[in-house]
This record gives sequence, C-alpha cells and structure tokens, in this order.
Amino acid sequence: QQQVKQSPQSLIVQKGGISIINCAYENTAFDYFPWYQQFPGKGPALLIAIRPDVSEKKEGRFTISFNKSAKQFSLHIMDSQPGDSATYFCAASTANYGQNFVFGPGTRLSVLP
Amino acid sequence: DAGITQSPRHKVTETGTPVTLRCHQTENHRYMYWYRQDPGHGLRLIHYSYGVKDTDKGEVSDGYSVSRSKTEDFLLTLESATSSQTSVYFCAIMGANTGELFFGEGSRLTVL
Repeated sequence: QQQVKQSPQSLIVQKGGISIINCAYENTAFDYFPWYQQFPGKGPALLIAIRPDVSEKKEGRFTISFNKSAKQFSLHIMDSQPGDSATYFCAASTANYGQNFVFGPGTRLSVLP
Repeated sequence: DAGITQSPRHKVTETGTPVTLRCHQTENHRYMYWYRQDPGHGLRLIHYSYGVKDTDKGEVSDGYSVSRSKTEDFLLTLESATSSQTSVYFCAIMGANTGELFFGEGSRLTVL
C-alpha cells in the first residue's frame, strides 16, 4: 500500500512536444505529491508539488494534474526542451515529514533537438 | 543550494570492509536522511535523524547504521560492505516548514 507506481520507465520526445509521466498510489493518507528532477551526477531537486485540495497546478511549462478519486497524478511538460532531459521521480508523502516520502522508480526523459 | 556536502563522492571498496559516508550540512536543519538510489527502485530510505543522537530506521536499513553526534553531521556506516550495497547514496535534509527535501550530490559506492 506504500508503493508509488510510475510510468513510463523511459520517454523520448521531440523538441517542442509534450512529455507526460504518470504516477499512481494506493495509500489514501498521502497528502503531498511532489515531482523531483534529477540531472546526471546530481541529486534530485524539487520541480513542482501539489496537495489534493486542487486538481491542477501549473508552474511555467510544468503542470501537475491530480485525480484524487483515481489515485493518480501526472506531470506534463509543455514545449519540451533538450535541457529538460533528466530523470523524473514522483513521490507521495503524509504530514510533511521526509521519512514518510515514497518515491516512484523514475522516468528517464530524453528530448531530442 | 541547501548547503549539503557529501564525502567521499566516489569510493571503491572490497566485500567485508567497513565504509563510512559523511553528510555535512551548514544550515542547522533538524531532519536529515540517507537514501540509496538503484535503477528501477527510485530512492529508498535507509535511516533518518530527527535530532542529535535521535535516529530511526527506514525501509532498507539492514546492513547499515547511522550516527549523529552533531547537528551538522550525519554519518552512514556499512559495517561489512557487500556487493548488494553497491549503489549511489544520497543525503537529504528537510526544509523547515516547506515539506521540501534537499538532496546532496550523492556518493557512488562500488563494492567489489
């Protein structure tokens, strides 16, 4: 019940296209859903996050869509750029404590020029 | 920059040897974490600390121990390294009141 599933495992998108990564969870106690971006040789960094009281959050080209009833959330990257090529991790957590974070297995995104 | 430094950044060791990884933070955060990252598994929590001398186990704590004698330092020890502990290890801190995890740049450990 603690698992967060993430798909696809890898994704190749042309420059200017839309990248979509999906995650699903089981634990209805999760109340914080962040996405982390990781470049090779670096640690993950927070990209965008959402709480279940809203269905969508947008920051620039990045949008999280959240479906509470389906227990699913997704990351949309509009106008994808080669600089977006990275590994993306979704996560879920309860009560704002790091020890409660559960990460998805990651999606490696490649944006072709 | 959350002021997190991990050392060493790279280490190759042999099975059965002890290994200690160090995480140093400069911003006095209470919560510190050690994760390991493996392909297909994302990030998995090994141990965490919620204050000096206060630590607890995470999801994959077997074979690992930790210590936190000062606020700024969180040490991860593999008492007797095994090949299954070959991984990239990340230290993280929790930003105060933000719910955001800040990660270090990782320590790549290879156990031969």
